[in-house]
Amino acid sequence: ELKVEQNPLFLSMQEGKNYTIYCNYSTTSDRLYWYRQDPGKSLESLFVLLSNGAVKQEGRLMASLDTKARLSTLHITAAVHDLSATYFCAGGFGNEKLTFGTGTRLTIIP
Amino acid sequence: DSGVTQTPKHLITATGQRVTLRCSPRSGDLSVYWYQQSLDQGLQFLIQYYNGEERAKGNILERFSAQQFPDLHSELNLSSLELGDSALYFCASSEGQYLPNVLTFGAGSRLTVL
Repeated sequence: ELKVEQNPLFLSMQEGKNYTIYCNYSTTSDRLYWYRQDPGKSLESLFVLLSNGAVKQEGRLMASLDTKARLSTLHITAAVHDLSATYFCAGGFGNEKLTFGTGTRLTIIP
Repeated sequence: DSGVTQTPKHLITATGQRVTLRCSPRSGDLSVYWYQQSLDQGLQFLIQYYNGEERAKGNILERFSAQQFPDLHSELNLSSLELGDSALYFCASSEGQYLPNVLTFGAGSRLTVL
């Protein structure tokens, strides 16, 4: 069964700094998703990574996938307060269920 | 608005009771997924329906059941409720039966069991 682990679980960073959230998964995964969730709100899709070496960028967020290392990263560049949220990665294979990581609660401090 | 509609948004009930959560998928989507989000368990997959048929089952308790109707809306029934069932219940939808490129979530139904 696919297991997905994220680290760190909590991240407090200053505005303007760069940081990376890591997502490790235990077995083969067809694709890797990144979602954002604001407190008490729904999950918003950020990226879907479909192949080894895939890199996607949107604004200050960039996600990458290394299927050989079973690792995806979400890199935050020059953080701003609006990026404060909980970020989830999720993996899945074929017709299997989507398995979510534990989430990383990101707080951007002015 | 994601296009996935969930009702009710909030629900408070007592232990031992039964509730029904409803989900209408995005137009054109045939798959509906149910997820439970609690503080201690994180986001757990419960069940998936595709075009009216059960497609995949996750960590769904026997006290819980779901179905998808001909108009593609889905209902999640939770019975003999316990305090630990308090959680956010999300519905998501996608076009096909296999893992999609896009899985769109609804706003969730927050269940509080007292």
